[in-house]
Amino acid sequence: GAVVSQHPSRVICKSGTSVKIECRSLDFQATTMFWYRQFPKQSLMLMATSNEGSKATYEQGVEKDKFLINHASLTLSTLTVTSAHPEDSSFYICSAPVAGGQETQYFGPGTRLLVL
Amino acid sequence: AQRVTQPEKLLSVFKGAPVELKCNYSYSGSPELFWYVQYSRQRLQLLLRHISRESIKGFTADLNKGETSFHLKKPFAQEEDSAMYYCALSGSNTGKLIFGQGTTLQVKP
Repeated sequence: GAVVSQHPSRVICKSGTSVKIECRSLDFQATTMFWYRQFPKQSLMLMATSNEGSKATYEQGVEKDKFLINHASLTLSTLTVTSAHPEDSSFYICSAPVAGGQETQYFGPGTRLLVL
Repeated sequence: AQRVTQPEKLLSVFKGAPVELKCNYSYSGSPELFWYVQYSRQRLQLLLRHISRESIKGFTADLNKGETSFHLKKPFAQEEDSAMYYCALSGSNTGKLIFGQGTTLQVKP
């Protein structure tokens, strides 16, 4: 099946710094990718839709200046958490549908962010 | 409002017992419904979707539009079924998924 990778798998940073998380589709192209956030023992919350070659679409309540998304190529989307604060600590997960198969999402393994 | 509700946080059964994980949804339109599973220390993966009408690992789920439900069932639970199960909804061909809160299934020997 299709594989989606994320890097790094975990990151610890100081408050006020920015952190970049990469999401890659390894064996397929993805014009669209999705970014989710998961709090401990809670569900996944959709943050934004990353669109290759155009601006990301953010869900209501998600600060676009806080969570910068760039979809530079058909296999890479990046999420940058700017000026991170402890409340941004969470598990960030990306997903991508196989081209032409909007129904099936392939998920990355997630990135654990801890802001001190 | 679009919403997926999984009323049980934890479902604990003995091996060989029947399992039913409940899922109800709210959506103004015709959604696609899915069940995703996350085994310990693994990534989220698709278990089944309503349009396929298939049985995966002995699990089935029937979409009941009248009751707006998509319960996941298995007649005889196995220990390897222990995992977190998420019901999810997608609408309007956007690919976006709205997840329920998740249910932890614990199958005891």
